[in-house]
Amino acid sequence: DQQVKQNSPSLSVQEGRISILNCDYTNSMFDYFLWYKKYPAEGPTFLISISSIKDKNEDGRFTVFLNKSAKHLSLHIVPSQPGDSAVYFCAVAPGGGADGLTFGKGTHLIIQP
Amino acid sequence: EPEVTQTPSHQVTQMGQEVILRCVPISNHLYFYWYRQILGQKVEFLVSFYNNEISEKSEIFDDQFSVERPDGSNFTLKIRSTKLEDSAMYFCARSSLSPYEQYFGPGTRLTVT
Repeated sequence: DQQVKQNSPSLSVQEGRISILNCDYTNSMFDYFLWYKKYPAEGPTFLISISSIKDKNEDGRFTVFLNKSAKHLSLHIVPSQPGDSAVYFCAVAPGGGADGLTFGKGTHLIIQP
Repeated sequence: EPEVTQTPSHQVTQMGQEVILRCVPISNHLYFYWYRQILGQKVEFLVSFYNNEISEKSEIFDDQFSVERPDGSNFTLKIRSTKLEDSAMYFCARSSLSPYEQYFGPGTRLTVT
């Protein structure tokens, strides 16, 4: 029962290019969507989020796009830098109160010089 | 925003023993959470805690688990009788400005032998 799917276990991108990480979800009632970055032996680090009332949110090199009709979410990183190499998790919050987040399995982004 | 701290960073215990994992958040946080990540798997929600009581818990959070905030600052997760399958990274998280944007600690690696 995967409510959040990240179908690419890994992605390799050249430094300076755009990295696009994808995420699909199953429940149209999800209210809030988040991206986290994780290095080995560390906790997830919050990157960027978007609510269901928007279709785009931008923060520096990071942009998140939400396509509600397709139940699809993507994270764009431009330009990609070596320090971006990490595992990226998509997460969803059902909405309201102290909801636990549901995470995808993650995509390992490798930035090549 | 600053992260929470977690102790210990690594705990090794024998099967059947009780363990207590600790999280020290900044005092003005409203919501606290525990998550776990079994090696190679996704981050899974265990429990959320609001206003000194459990707000939500997942199916994983069975009678072997308990949470409390004994002294108004530290936030603890207790596993009463550990099993081999409890071996995982355990992350504490907190949120304040928004319930949806959760900030994670560095985690405690629990190894059950």
